Amino acid sequence: GESVGLHLPTLSVQEGDNSIINCAYSNSASDYFIWYKQESGKGPQFIIDIRSNMDKRQGQRVTVLLNKTVKHLSLQIAATQPGDSAVYFCAEGGASKIIFGSGTRLSIRP
Amino acid sequence: DTAVSQTPKYLVTQMGNDKSIKCEQNLGHDTMYWYKQDSKKFLKIMFSYNNKELIINETVPNRFSPKSPDKAHLNLHINSLELGDSAVYFCASSRGQDRYEQYFGPGTRLTVT
Repeated sequence: GESVGLHLPTLSVQEGDNSIINCAYSNSASDYFIWYKQESGKGPQFIIDIRSNMDKRQGQRVTVLLNKTVKHLSLQIAATQPGDSAVYFCAEGGASKIIFGSGTRLSIRP
Repeated sequence: DTAVSQTPKYLVTQMGNDKSIKCEQNLGHDTMYWYKQDSKKFLKIMFSYNNKELIINETVPNRFSPKSPDKAHLNLHINSLELGDSAVYFCASSRGQDRYEQYFGPGTRLTVT
């Protein structure tokens, strides 16, 4: 069956440090893997996606790594800032829909 | 300029009532979605429309009826509301049905008492 899960429900990091949010998936047939960010009281916001035939993709201050051997996805945020505080969702894309994981809350310590 | 807007933002109603949530996007996208987010933040797709045609219906009770009068609007009507319908409902849109960069509205918090 389809499932997307996260290793940690909460993550606390020092401001300025790098954050790594991990995710496990089970559906090897997904075309894309996606990360969304949801700030308190707002709708989810697209961060970055990676096609299933890639293993790394970089954006502005973010890097997504895909390890298909162990079905693992991670989001790395460089130099974490207070504005990065949010719930982060990994998701799988395929068959014209997105299946979201359960989310990791990232909190930033000053 | 609001890209994806929803009304109302909050909706409190009693069991058994019928209510509607409206969604509009001004991005020129041709695909729109409804998602439900429960109290544990779990986000699940309910429906998607491409060019006003229903393409995804994720085993949602038929008390929920989406309607797309045009590409820029996707409304959600809910009949005979139940306690379990309490959640935050998000509308979203994207350029194409196989695009995973979706733009979400601010959400409608529905509370059924």
